[in-house]
Order: sequence, then structure tokens, then C-alpha cells
Amino acid sequence: KNQVEQSPQSLIILEGKNCTLQCNYTVSPFSNLRWYKQDTGRGPVSLTIMTFSENTKSNGRYTATLDADTKQSSLHITASQLSDSASYICVVSNKAPGGTSYGKLTFGQGTILTVHP
Amino acid sequence: ETGVTQTPRHLVMGMTNKKSLKCEQHLGHNAMYWYKQSAKKPLELMFVYNFKEQTENNSVPSRFSPECPNSSHLFLHLHTLQPEDSALYLCASSQDQLSSYNEQFFGPGTRLTVL
Repeated sequence: KNQVEQSPQSLIILEGKNCTLQCNYTVSPFSNLRWYKQDTGRGPVSLTIMTFSENTKSNGRYTATLDADTKQSSLHITASQLSDSASYICVVSNKAPGGTSYGKLTFGQGTILTVHP
Repeated sequence: ETGVTQTPRHLVMGMTNKKSLKCEQHLGHNAMYWYKQSAKKPLELMFVYNFKEQTENNSVPSRFSPECPNSSHLFLHLHTLQPEDSALYLCASSQDQLSSYNEQFFGPGTRLTVL
């Protein structure tokens, strides 16, 4: 069964500090992994997408890593800001099996990050 | 803004009511999605429409009825809901459903409460 597990469930840090969120998956065959940020009262917004051959991808202060061998990804946030307070969702897509034209997305339950001043 | 709008943003309804959720995308996309988001649970895919044709129904109870009149609009008709249906309902769109690399753009959601 395809699954995506995120840890921790929630995290509280002080403004200016760094943090790392984890995502472990059992999705197979793997196609790509995307991190979303969901602010309170809004829909998720994509931060990064990584394919099998990519180890690292950055988007400003957000850096995602992927280890396809161990099926783990992390999202590192540098010099956190109050606006980083949100839920971060890891989403993994599998490759389309023969006979269909699209893969399936498996969502993690999200990590709720709170940044305090 | 993401280019995907949803109305209403909040909805409170009784179990015997009939209501509809509306989603509109201004991105020229051809695929539209309905998701259910409950607290501390992963997003649950409900329905997918690709070029106006329903391509996925994820074993959703018949009290939820989707409608996609064109590629820009998506509705979710609700009737005789249960309290456990209370959740955030998110609409999303993507270029099409042909590639999993296509980013899904989400609306702000409708917060539904069933009394």
C-alpha cells in the first residue's frame, strides 16, 4: 500500500531559527515528490518538486532533499520567519502503470509549523 | 491568489438540507479535482474531471454529487449529509491529468459544518 508519513506532527520554533521536516514514503514505482505549504484558511501552494534523479532543490529559504534509495525527503527552512507558520504537506506521485496515462498522488498528513517571535 | 476561487468560503447546513459548492479556475486548465481535508488526516481525493469527463470517483458516498459543465467550473452538490462530513473541501486544477508532474493549484476551500 502506498503511504507517506511525515514527522514531526507539529513543531514550534523561534523566529530566526532553522528547522527540518521529514517525509518517508513507500510509494512505488516512484515518479516525483512535491512539498506544499498550506497557510491557515488557504489551499496548499507548491514549494518544490523533485524527480528520481534530483537530490536537492531550493526555493528561497526552503531547501528540499530527496534520497530515493531510502525513500526519504526532508524540507529545511532557514532563518525562519513568522510567515513560515503553516502546514507543510509532502505529496508523492507514482508512475502511471501500463494502460493508464497518469499516476496517483499520495498525501502525507502534514507537519504544522509554528514560528514564535 | 492561485487563480482558483471557491464559494462559499463557509457553509453551515443541517442534515436534511441541499447545498452546492462552486469552484472556478481562471488558469485555462483542463483537469479539476475535489478533495476533502479533515483535521490531522491527509487530503482525500474525491473526484477528478479531465476535459469535462469524470475520470475518478474515489468511492465517495452518493450524497456527494459532482458536476462539471465546462473546464472552468466544478460543482459539488450536497444532500442529506452526516456530521462526519464536516471538513474543509478543496478544489484544485491542473493543466491536465496526463502527467503527474503537472502542478495542482488549489482554491482556498469551503469550510463545511454539518449540524
